[in-house]
Order: sequence, then C-alpha cells, then structure tokens
Amino acid sequence: QQQVKQSPQSLIVQKGGISIINCAYENTAFDYFPWYQQFPGKGPALLIAIRPDVSEKKEGRFTISFNKSAKQFSLHIMDSQPGDSATYFCAPNSGGYQKVTFGTGTKLQVIP
Amino acid sequence: DTAVSQTPKYLVTQMGNDKSIKCEQNLGHDTMYWYKQDSKKFLKIMFSYNNKELIINETVPNRFSPKSPDKAHLNLHINSLELGDSAVYFCASCMRSGNTIYFGEGSWLTVV
Repeated sequence: QQQVKQSPQSLIVQKGGISIINCAYENTAFDYFPWYQQFPGKGPALLIAIRPDVSEKKEGRFTISFNKSAKQFSLHIMDSQPGDSATYFCAPNSGGYQKVTFGTGTKLQVIP
Repeated sequence: DTAVSQTPKYLVTQMGNDKSIKCEQNLGHDTMYWYKQDSKKFLKIMFSYNNKELIINETVPNRFSPKSPDKAHLNLHINSLELGDSAVYFCASCMRSGNTIYFGEGSWLTVV
C-alpha cells in the first residue's frame, strides 16, 4: 500500500505571507513529485512538479523543495494572495498507468 | 475547448435509481480514470483504463460499472444508488508514458 502523508490539513495565512505544505511518501521508486491545486467547483490541476535530480524548483511565487533522503517534498507559496485560496494535493508517482495516490489535501485560506 | 469533459455536472436522484456519468477527453491520452472525492475532499481512485482495457479496479462496489467504448471515452454507470454514493466524481486522463493527470470539472452526485 503506497503511503502518502500530507500536512497540514488546513492553513490560514495572511496576504503577503508564506504558505508551506508538506508531503511525505514511502515508495522510493517515485520519480515525479507534483502538487495539484483545486479551486471550489473545479477539478484538480497541476500546479508545479519536480524530478528527483534537483532539490528545488521555482515557478513564480511557487517553489517545490525536495528532500530525497527524508522522502519528503514541500510546496512554498511566497507572497500568498487571496486568489491562492484553494485545496492543494501532492501526488508522488512513477508514471505510467500505475495507481496514483493523492495526499489528503490541504485547504489554504489566504485572508486579506 | 475543454480537454476533459464530463456530463452531467450536477445530478440529484433518489435512492435505488440507476444513473450514468459520461466522460470524453480530446487530449489524445491513452489512459483514463474515475476518481471519487468525498465531503472531506479525499481523492480516491476507482478505476483506470488504458486503451479500453481495465487496468485498475479498486475496492468499489460492483454497482459501479465503468465502460470505455474507445480510448477517448470512459463512462460510469451506477446501479441501485445509495445515500453513501453522494460525492463528486472526477474523470481524468493521462498518457501511459506521462505523469501528469488532467481532470474534468467533476460531476456532483446527490442521492436523496
């Protein structure tokens, strides 16, 4: 059974602050570490992803930090905005049509 | 031009009824999924098809029967609906050789 543990369950951040969401996994065969973003009433959509050959990837205000030895990766949202309020899921996997286990989700609320 | 489209978006029905949800993707993907999202936002895979062949069949009651007439379509038929079937059902797709899963906007099923 693939274990994926995501924390925190919910997060409230002030506008302009930093939001940090963590994901821990067990399967060392995983080679793709994505974060998905889901707005109310919509399906999840890929936000940012990283491969294990790098420890950090930045796209605008969103950064993934990857710690292979600890089997963890995290999502950092800098200068958080109310428009970032959504539910975030990690979904580490090794591609193909294998079963992809999503994390339990983190509901982020950014307050003005 | 929606990549993964599913219909209907909202469905309210009585216990015991039979209903279907249809899904189509125009991304040229060869793998399609059904995911169930409960009220706590947990995303759980139900089925996966690759080129019309059932690949993953999670522990789902056999009242749920997927059908894939071709690799661009995956439908979900549910017999004898129960209150506990109330959830959001997401269709999704990806390439067997890829990692990113593309979701539809969801079908909100309410059983009364």
